[in-house]
Order: sequence, then structure tokens, then C-alpha cells
Amino acid sequence: EVQLVESGGGLVQPGGSLKLSCAASGFTFSGSALHWVRQASGKGLEWLGRITSQVHNYDTAYAASMKGRSTISRDDSKDTAYLQLDSLKTEDTAVYYCVRPIDGTTLLDYWGQGTRVTVSS
Amino acid sequence: DIQMTQSPSSVSASIGDRVTITCRANQGISNSLAWFQQKEGRAPKLLIYAVSTLQSGVPSRFSGSGSGTDFILTISRLQPEDFATYYCQQAYSVPITFGQGTRLDIK
Repeated sequence: EVQLVESGGGLVQPGGSLKLSCAASGFTFSGSALHWVRQASGKGLEWLGRITSQVHNYDTAYAASMKGRSTISRDDSKDTAYLQLDSLKTEDTAVYYCVRPIDGTTLLDYWGQGTRVTVSS
Repeated sequence: DIQMTQSPSSVSASIGDRVTITCRANQGISNSLAWFQQKEGRAPKLLIYAVSTLQSGVPSRFSGSGSGTDFILTISRLQPEDFATYYCQQAYSVPITFGQGTRLDIK
């Protein structure tokens, strides 16, 4: 069974940083891309970025809203992906999901349960 | 970036009704369109991809249609478990973009 478990969320002050983790199981993590999506309370879904597999050179792509303030990485030896968030703003307060796409596509199939990030002083 | 616009933003319907939700892209996306269902406090669930292909386990009362820039999600014979928020997503290019969502609630 495919499972994605996010962790690392919490309360952080504006301007601070946070590193979220996404622990994967139930599939060949090293062969899969991984996306991050967030959702502010009562709002819609916002794609943040993705990292491809080693076969595709661990290529990363980011939404404009997060470019320069976030970094997606992965450690295939730990079956874990990461989202580093820097220079956080109050508007970054949201639930952050990691998502595994259907192989070779950008169809977001398996979602984690999400981890909540609150940016507040 | 490709902009996705859904309508309506909310709709009320009764059990057994037929509901349609539309999604429009501001440029052609071929058949790279997916629909998600999200219930309160839960992660989104992929319902339909490639415009009209039902994900495994999705009831046949859900259907998708359209091409190019205009797409439709149809739910026939609404069931209690269908009341949720629905999002379209273009899978044509990065950055991936979603519609703003359509909340479906009970009349």
C-alpha cells in the first residue's frame, strides 16, 4: 500500500525557516517524482513544486510564489523527500501535502495526510 | 502559467440529482485534465484523469468530458458521499495549476 507521511510542520515566526519531510513506503520511491501542494484554510489547492527521479537528474521545478524561498530535495536511501521553506510569510500558513504522481505523468495520485505550517508572531 | 477557471464556485443539489461542473483553461491543454474530490479535513482524491478516464474504484456515476480548453465533470444520481469540493487540474505543463474549486452541498 502506497503511503506518504509528512512531518515537520509547526509554528514559526515570519521570516523564519522550516524543513518538511515526506516519508514514503509501499512503492519504489527512487523511481518516482514527488510533488508538494499546499492549501490554506478554506482556500484552494496550490502546487508548489516537484522533484523528478534520478533517471531524470533530480530536476526541480517551482511555482513562482515559492521560487527563491523554497527548495525541494530527496534522499532515496531514506525514501524521503523534503521541502525547505525560507523567509516565511503569514500567507504561507497552510497544510502542506506531498504527492506521488502516476508514473511518467503530472497526475497527482497518492497524497499524504498533510502537515500544518502556521506562520505567526 | 495556464489559468484554470471553474464554475460555479458552489452549487446546492439534492440526493439523486445530476450536477455538472465546468472548467476552462486559458489555453489549449489537449486532454491533460484531471478532477479531484476533497472532503472536509481530508486530502484530495483523484477521480478522473485524461478528461474522462475514471481512476480505479471511482463510481461510474462520475464522468468527464471536453477537449482543448473546456471541460465538464458530471455527477449523475448524487449520493450522500458525493457532497464535497471538486477541483480541476491541468496536467499539461509545469507549473501545475488547479481551478479554484466548486463546493457541492446538500440542498
